[in-house]
Amino acid sequence: SYELTQPPSVSVSPGQTASITCSAEKLGDKYVCWYQQKPGQSPVLVIYQDSERPSGISGIPERFSGSHSGNTATLTIGGTQAIDEADYYCQTWDRNVVFGGGTKLTVL
Amino acid sequence: QVQLQQWGAGLLKPSETLSLTCAVYGGSFSGYYWSWVRQSPGKGLEWIGEINHTGNINYNPSLKSRVTISVDTPKNQFSLKLSSVTAAVTSVYYCARGNMVQAWGQTYYYYMDVWGKGTTVTVSS
Repeated sequence: SYELTQPPSVSVSPGQTASITCSAEKLGDKYVCWYQQKPGQSPVLVIYQDSERPSGISGIPERFSGSHSGNTATLTIGGTQAIDEADYYCQTWDRNVVFGGGTKLTVL
Repeated sequence: QVQLQQWGAGLLKPSETLSLTCAVYGGSFSGYYWSWVRQSPGKGLEWIGEINHTGNINYNPSLKSRVTISVDTPKNQFSLKLSSVTAAVTSVYYCARGNMVQAWGQTYYYYMDVWGKGTTVTVSS
């Protein structure tokens, strides 16, 4: 089965840039999206199609961005705030939906 | 704004059948894949399977043998059944709206943009 690999944890200081990676074989042939999940809450889509931010009522702040190079996709949070502390999951589609293991972002 | 409302039994005994339903309000039911995702305590997200309004179904191969997903299109509802549950089934179960978009050729991208609030299911004797 297809597997996405994320670091278990990432730490960042307030105001700094946080980067969370997601890697897999042949990931360069696929698109990636990212979800944010805070304790006790449902996941929220923050990036889709590698780098697109959802708009509308649940608009995602511009400090969230996504990129994809080769077999690694990256979620970047610029000017990280305390409210960004959460678990982040990458997800792709390989004839089925596949999630990464999740990364706990700590804002110290 | 689309909302997903889910319900079902939260406490089961081993060998019983888990049964959850998710209703879609405020938006189109067709044109999307309706998914079930679960999260074991302290663990990550696990995709269970999905169905569209015509009944086209995809299952996670690792769970396929005990899972049944069905749809009631006139009611804008879809359901999950998981048979012969054990303690390992204890999780929060989410329903979600999946978008499958053709990027180019046979390359698609997929994302889930609307989620239910989750149902905690505990299996205990």
